[in-house]
Amino acid sequence: QVQLVQSGAEVKKPGASVKVSCKASGYTFTNYYMHWVREAPGQGLEWMGIINPSGGGTSHGKKFQGRVAMTSDTVTSTVYMELSNLRSEDTAVYYCARAVPMPGAKGTTLDPWGQGTLVTVSS
Amino acid sequence: EVVMTQSPATLSVSPGESATLSCRASQSISGNLAWYQQIPGQAPRLVIYGASTRATGIPARFSGSGSGTEFTLTISNLQSEDFAIYYCHQYNNWPPGGTFGQGTKLEIK
Repeated sequence: QVQLVQSGAEVKKPGASVKVSCKASGYTFTNYYMHWVREAPGQGLEWMGIINPSGGGTSHGKKFQGRVAMTSDTVTSTVYMELSNLRSEDTAVYYCARAVPMPGAKGTTLDPWGQGTLVTVSS
Repeated sequence: EVVMTQSPATLSVSPGESATLSCRASQSISGNLAWYQQIPGQAPRLVIYGASTRATGIPARFSGSGSGTEFTLTISNLQSEDFAIYYCHQYNNWPPGGTFGQGTKLEIK
């Protein structure tokens, strides 16, 4: 079955960087883009960016301009999301989710999701 | 950017009854709307896409309707495992990941 398995929880200091991994299995890795979404405590879901695992092309939300980098490794079927210059507001659970194209839409649905990675930013 | 507004923020319903959750888009998104279920401590799960199509493995007691700017998720004969937070999500317009509503918490009355 399609499965996304993320790396474990991280604790970082303000100003540091964090790199979260997401290993895919159960489907052809290069056939689907991958989203990154985060959920801060008490907040809703916030889209961060998307990567094409095949060519490495990315797009991200304006809020993360200059701070987020997404990469992929087709050998291990793994995508990575690195967020730099961390601040306390970045404390959140970070999810990867496979992008499933929908007819007639510019965007995609997200299915399935990884289990989430808690990133805590604290001095 | 399309703003998604969900109501109510919290809905208290007894098991066995039905629940109706609403989602409104700030502009027309045709039928390009999905609903996700999130049980606390777990990842979101796709429930409905295309406004009314159940995702794989989702029971028939879940139904979605609407188009344009007004959408509804109805859950009939509520089971204990249905009590969760539900997010609507438009994927019609930029950004590529679409935009999410703020969520409706469905709790046991």
